[in-house]
Amino acid sequence: AAGVIQSPRHLIKEKRETATLKCYPIPRHDTVYWYQQGPGQDPQFLISFYEKMQSDKGSIPDRFSAQQFSDYHSELNMSSLELGDSALYFCASSTQTGYYEQYFGPGTRLTVT
Amino acid sequence: SQQGEEDPQALSIQEGENATMNCSYKTSINNLQWYRQNSGRGLVHLILIRSNEREKHSGRLRVTLDTSKKSSSLLITASRAADTASYFCATDSGGGADGLTFGKGTHLIIQP
Repeated sequence: AAGVIQSPRHLIKEKRETATLKCYPIPRHDTVYWYQQGPGQDPQFLISFYEKMQSDKGSIPDRFSAQQFSDYHSELNMSSLELGDSALYFCASSTQTGYYEQYFGPGTRLTVT
Repeated sequence: SQQGEEDPQALSIQEGENATMNCSYKTSINNLQWYRQNSGRGLVHLILIRSNEREKHSGRLRVTLDTSKKSSSLLITASRAADTASYFCATDSGGGADGLTFGKGTHLIIQP
């Protein structure tokens, strides 16, 4: 079965640079979520989109923004990167029917040097 | 604030034994989901239990939910070395597009 696709899988950036992470949800899933997981930490919810509209907002820094496009893929834009932004970034997708199980992608490992 | 707290934080058992992990949460929930994560890799969805359900089974997994105590347990029967991973519970509070709140996770090690 098709899964959530994230790109790139690994990314190395320097402080104050920008980064863009991409997420392609499971086919026919209309909701996308972004999470950040620091080393040894549990995942923290950042933001979600349903039908291209922002739906829920978590602990997303003002330096980050995201959007969902007409084909339901989503991009997380991160600016003025800081060392503390080094983490695994997960995208998850779900449908708005059923019980809203969220299925996660493999993650993008961002390292800020 | 942390919604879910897993107990124990680490668990080491022999292959073939059963493993039980507990999760507590603070606020009302709509659903509670359990995930598995191998070191540094993606989160694999294991099972979802709704707030009006008390028990659910899937293969070797059994999940219980006690909303009066705001707690859930995950039982893995007949453990295998491949079950070695971190296990997280995650809750949502109602809206279909709500983000999940994760607990700290239990690191399970299955000794061969």
